[in-house]
Parts: sequence; C-alpha cells; structure tokens
Amino acid sequence: AQRVTQPEKLLSVFKGAPVELKCNYSYSGSPELFWYVQYSRQRLQLLLRHISRESIKGFTADLNKGETSFHLKKPFAQEEDSAMYYCALRMNNNAGNMLTFGGGTRLMVKP
Amino acid sequence: KAGVTQTPRYLIKTRGQQVTLSCSPISGHRSVSWYQQTPGQGLQFLFEYFSETQRNKGNFPGRFSGRQFSNSRSEMNVSTLELGDSALYLCASSPFSNTGELFFGEGSRLTVL
Repeated sequence: AQRVTQPEKLLSVFKGAPVELKCNYSYSGSPELFWYVQYSRQRLQLLLRHISRESIKGFTADLNKGETSFHLKKPFAQEEDSAMYYCALRMNNNAGNMLTFGGGTRLMVKP
Repeated sequence: KAGVTQTPRYLIKTRGQQVTLSCSPISGHRSVSWYQQTPGQGLQFLFEYFSETQRNKGNFPGRFSGRQFSNSRSEMNVSTLELGDSALYLCASSPFSNTGELFFGEGSRLTVL
C-alpha cells in the first residue's frame, strides 16, 4: 500500500533562513506528488505538483525517485509562509483524484 | 467563481444517529471527493464521484456512503454514528478526474456524543 511520511510535525525557522519540509513516500508504481498548504483560517489549497516543475511563492520541490522523496524547499523564508503543509501522492493506476496525504508539517517563520 | 460550499459547517449528533453532509462544487467541476480529517489519522480519502459515478472508495466501513447528483452536487451519509466518526469532513472538487488538483471546501465539523 502507498504511504506518505512527513517526519517533522513542526518546523520553526527565522525569517530569511532557508527552509526544507521533508516528504518521503512508499509506492511501487510511478507516483504523482503534490504539496498542499493551509494558511491560518483559510482552506486547504494546492501549492505545487511535481509534474508542473514550477516555483510557486518561491517554493520548489523535486521528485527524487531513487530516495522516494519530494522535499519542499525555499531559500529565504517569509513570515507569510507560516502555515500547515501537506505532501500528497496520487497513484498512476486509474486512481482518479484519490490522494494519500502525509501527516502534515506546521511551518512557523519567526521574525 | 464561488468556491466549494459545504453544509452544515458544524453539527452535533449522538451515537447511533445518522448524518448527511452536503457539498456544492465549483461551477463546472464534475469531480467531487470527500476526505475525513482527524488529529490521529490525518487526512483520509473517503470516496470520489465523477459524473454521478463513484470512481474510488477509501478504506472505510459501509456505514459511510455518498452520491452525486446530475448538477455535480454531492452528499455523504454516515449511518449508525460512532464516537470515532467525530471529525472534519472535507469536500474537494476538480474539473477533471485523474489530476490530483483539488479545490477544498471549509469542511463540516461533526461531533458525535
């Protein structure tokens, strides 16, 4: 069965510091990986997906199939980045929109 | 466009009762997915409907059911409620299936006493 692990429940960094939110997955097939974010008092929303290979709000994430990881990175954290971040996996076997989510990491960016 | 709308936002039930939650997707979205969020288990997939057909179902007992109407609105029902069913139930819509790009509602918070 597929599984997504986010080892850190809480990550605290200072403004301007680099940030890396870790995501590891287990799945025997070829997955699609996503990062979703929930800012305070807002809905859960898509931040980025590995297929797009985009940088959104300064965040990037590279799918490393060898290490089965999809870490989210930003070189200089901003206070507005403080939020709950979820890594999610979609299987490639006619899974529809069924996502397996990790437990989430709360990012706190201190001034 | 209006976002995904879920009703009711909060509700309290007692064990053994049943509950129906409603979700109105973004206009034009044909896929509606439901997720359960709890502190212990996190976000777990319940089911997805696309064009009134259930595409996938998560690992939940048969007490959890859903349906989708021709206007893409969806409902989920939980019968014979248990204390462990207390959770935030999130609905998400998408214009297509097989994308993983979901637009979430604010959720319906169910408390079972």
